[in-house]
Amino acid sequence: AQSVTQLDSHVSVSEGTPVLLRCNYSSSYSPSLFWYVQHPNKGLQLLLKYTSAATLVKGINGFEAEFKKSETSFHLTKPSAHMSDAAEYFCVVSEGGGYQKVTFGIGTKLQVIP
Amino acid sequence: SAVISQKPSRDICQRGTSLTIQCQVDSQVTMMFWYRQQPGQSLTLIATANQGSEATYESGFVIDKFPISRPNLTFSTLTVSNMSPEDSSIYLCSVRDRTNTEAFFGQGTRLTVV
Repeated sequence: AQSVTQLDSHVSVSEGTPVLLRCNYSSSYSPSLFWYVQHPNKGLQLLLKYTSAATLVKGINGFEAEFKKSETSFHLTKPSAHMSDAAEYFCVVSEGGGYQKVTFGIGTKLQVIP
Repeated sequence: SAVISQKPSRDICQRGTSLTIQCQVDSQVTMMFWYRQQPGQSLTLIATANQGSEATYESGFVIDKFPISRPNLTFSTLTVSNMSPEDSSIYLCSVRDRTNTEAFFGQGTRLTVV
């Protein structure tokens, strides 16, 4: 069985400061991991994905995430927040590689303060 | 990538009525997925729709409540039947890319049942 835990339901940062959105996962097999972003009244957009290649994954809009097997974590980071980053972020896990049966985290709402 | 159009984007419906949500993809795909996102919660898979066969429903979802059509490789509908306020959610259509490592989502249908 697989599961994903997003440790913070809300994160608030000032514009220009670093962003850290935390995600821990549980999986019986080698997982694939994804981060999606959902802007208000928009569909979900893929930010980045880990599918057993390099453990440090770079995504769009300056985001990156590091797969740490020993910590079962896949935290999302960005060096400097922009106002346009304000959105909801979902961590997603899939067992067995690729996008098989997937489990979504509950989401983290990111607020960026000017 | 795939572009997904969902209609309607939002609706307010009376309890006891039904609403059909349409999902159109700009390319042919084998499987289409329907998700529900209840207020303050994450995405839950309702069913997987394959062209030419019955949809496969997840635990807790039944065909009588959420009938699905999949008449061709670019289109699907989800009907929310005999609605109650508990059905108020965002409903999202999703497809996957050819390598099955990325999912694309429609912008969702925000349903309010009164």
